[in-house]
Amino acid sequence: KAGVTQTPRYLIKTRGQQVTLSCSPISGHRSVSWYQQTPGQGLQFLFEYFSETQRNKGNFPGRFSGRQFSNSRSEMNVSTLELGDSALYLCASSPGQGKDTQYFGPGTRLTVL
Amino acid sequence: AQRVTQPEKLLSVFKGAPVELKCNYSYSGSPELFWYVQYSRQRLQLLLRHISRESIKGFTADLNKGETSFHLKKPFAQEEDSAMYYCALIAGGTSYGKLTFGQGTILTVHP
Repeated sequence: KAGVTQTPRYLIKTRGQQVTLSCSPISGHRSVSWYQQTPGQGLQFLFEYFSETQRNKGNFPGRFSGRQFSNSRSEMNVSTLELGDSALYLCASSPGQGKDTQYFGPGTRLTVL
Repeated sequence: AQRVTQPEKLLSVFKGAPVELKCNYSYSGSPELFWYVQYSRQRLQLLLRHISRESIKGFTADLNKGETSFHLKKPFAQEEDSAMYYCALIAGGTSYGKLTFGQGTILTVHP
């Protein structure tokens, strides 16, 4: 099976702009989770979607949002970008049953200038 | 709230030496524990998880519920084991899809 893919791989934006990142899960997986990875805070959970519904959410401001489509592909959006949003954004997919193993994509490197 | 602690940010050993990466967790219920590894310029990938009890690339990890630990061990380290290692857990209940990660340990195996 093809692995989790993320597009784009790299993005450069300026403060105040908004950005949309995309994630395609492993075929048959219905759950997609998003994480932010920074040198200071490490890996932090943003949210999880299953069958187009957000089931879980981390402690991030409302500027961070996401959605999932009927084919399980997911997008996350960050509005009004701040310098501190510069990070590697990872998505992971799993079948969606409780404590499943999650399989990670390569990430999108976002730089905010 | 759950928490994962990896006390060593850096760990260096010589090839052929035993290695142990420490992981402690705090959670009142029964979590599922994982070790993920990230090799240079590669994506994060699963190394092993508690429930499968498999030995992957010679690594094993034992869950000690009394000490709330899930240390990763390998009897003879290889240079190709050099990587960043993350311990993580998924709690029960409504923690859908939420992995809680430790801060990671960078393992360097010297020739």
